Amino acid sequence: AQTVTQSQPEMSVQEAETVTLSCTYDTSESDYYLFWYKQPPSRQMILVIRQEAYKQQNATENRFSVNFQKAAKSFSLKISDSQLGDAAMYFCAYRTPQGGSEKLVFGKGTKLTVNP
Amino acid sequence: GAGVSQTPSNKVTEKGKYVELRCDPISGHTALYWYRQSLGQGPEFLIYFQGTGAADDSGLPNDRFFAVRPEGSVSTLKIQRTERGDSAVYLCASSLQGSGTEAFFGQGTRLTVV
Repeated sequence: AQTVTQSQPEMSVQEAETVTLSCTYDTSESDYYLFWYKQPPSRQMILVIRQEAYKQQNATENRFSVNFQKAAKSFSLKISDSQLGDAAMYFCAYRTPQGGSEKLVFGKGTKLTVNP
Repeated sequence: GAGVSQTPSNKVTEKGKYVELRCDPISGHTALYWYRQSLGQGPEFLIYFQGTGAADDSGLPNDRFFAVRPEGSVSTLKIQRTERGDSAVYLCASSLQGSGTEAFFGQGTRLTVV
């Protein structure tokens, strides 16, 4: 079974600085999707960024970028120029390849605090 | 609708009672998912619908849990004989057709069993 591990229960960053959240996963599949979701106190999960495993290029969305290391099964999230609104729980998630079960497998999350 | 809507937002019930949680997906989304998020944990998959049928119900923890989606739109998660361990946030998500399309989440129902 696939597993996702987030080894940092909590992280903090100064406003305008850069922070990296770690994620590792375990799978025997060669093709899959990886995601980072943000969950503010409202509880709604918001997609931050996604990566297809067959793409070598790391995904980027504005201030958010990933470092995808397929051989190491590592998928870290870098947040640049951190803003107060970035404070939330961040979850790394894995999804099986197209045509398989559509379920997401989540890590336990990292609580990010942004200090003014 | 504009987004995934879940009702009620919060539900308190007594141990042993029956509860129903409702999810109204984004209009036109054929795929619908239920997840359960316990305190301090990430969401855990419960069940996935493609249209009216449950394509994967491997996450349902036991036979007290059941979900339906009779017309391929609104879904109801039903929990019989609730236990204190069922207390969690129940999240619903929908996507256009599954298979690589983005899943949009609702704000969840916080269920508390006392």
